[in-house]
Amino acid sequence: SQQGEEDPQALSIQEGENATMNCSYKTSINNLQWYRQNSGRGLVHLILIRSNEREKHSGRLRVTLDTSKKSSSLLITASRAADTASYFCTETSGSRLTFGEGTQLTVNP
Amino acid sequence: NAGVTQTPKFQVLKTGQSMTLQCAQDMNHEYMSWYRQDPGMGLRLIHYSVGAGITDQGEVPNGYNVSRSTTEDFPLRLLSAAPSQTSVYFCASSYSPPGQFSNQPQHFGDGTRLSIL
Repeated sequence: SQQGEEDPQALSIQEGENATMNCSYKTSINNLQWYRQNSGRGLVHLILIRSNEREKHSGRLRVTLDTSKKSSSLLITASRAADTASYFCTETSGSRLTFGEGTQLTVNP
Repeated sequence: NAGVTQTPKFQVLKTGQSMTLQCAQDMNHEYMSWYRQDPGMGLRLIHYSVGAGITDQGEVPNGYNVSRSTTEDFPLRLLSAAPSQTSVYFCASSYSPPGQFSNQPQHFGDGTRLSIL
């Protein structure tokens, strides 16, 4: 399966702390994207990193990609209660997206 | 700008009933897709379309039909509902299909929560 797998499955931190989530995938990718899903809502695109990039920043988000280890990480700095959500990585291979099961992040005020 | 609109938001069906989940987007996106989300399973691709008149199967297509007569609409039909189809269904769209030369993010609707008794 090409499905990405997020780790950990659940993460609980205090407001202001950093949150790191990891994603592993099994095959070659064109790019890798991260999405956020708030409870009861659809997924929202956060950031895309191409297979030839190693690191990318967007506001408080930092994504890294290690194609040799087939892994990516999402770092959220200075977390806020509003960051409480599920986070998914999705790999693009061919013309399909495959999603992992997600990491449930809880940021406690 | 409505984005991706899914209707209904909630639905309860009896086993054997049929129904259509509606999905519409107003962004002139060529690529549209349907996913189901189940606890512990992530999102699984049901069907997708790269443009009007073109559809293809995803990972879990059995029990579902789709058609794409217009760019804007991509309905998902359950032919004979089964309890195993109880799930949350998401429609997504993007300007172009995912792939090596596409950096287009997927735009998701807020989902249809379907229960089949």
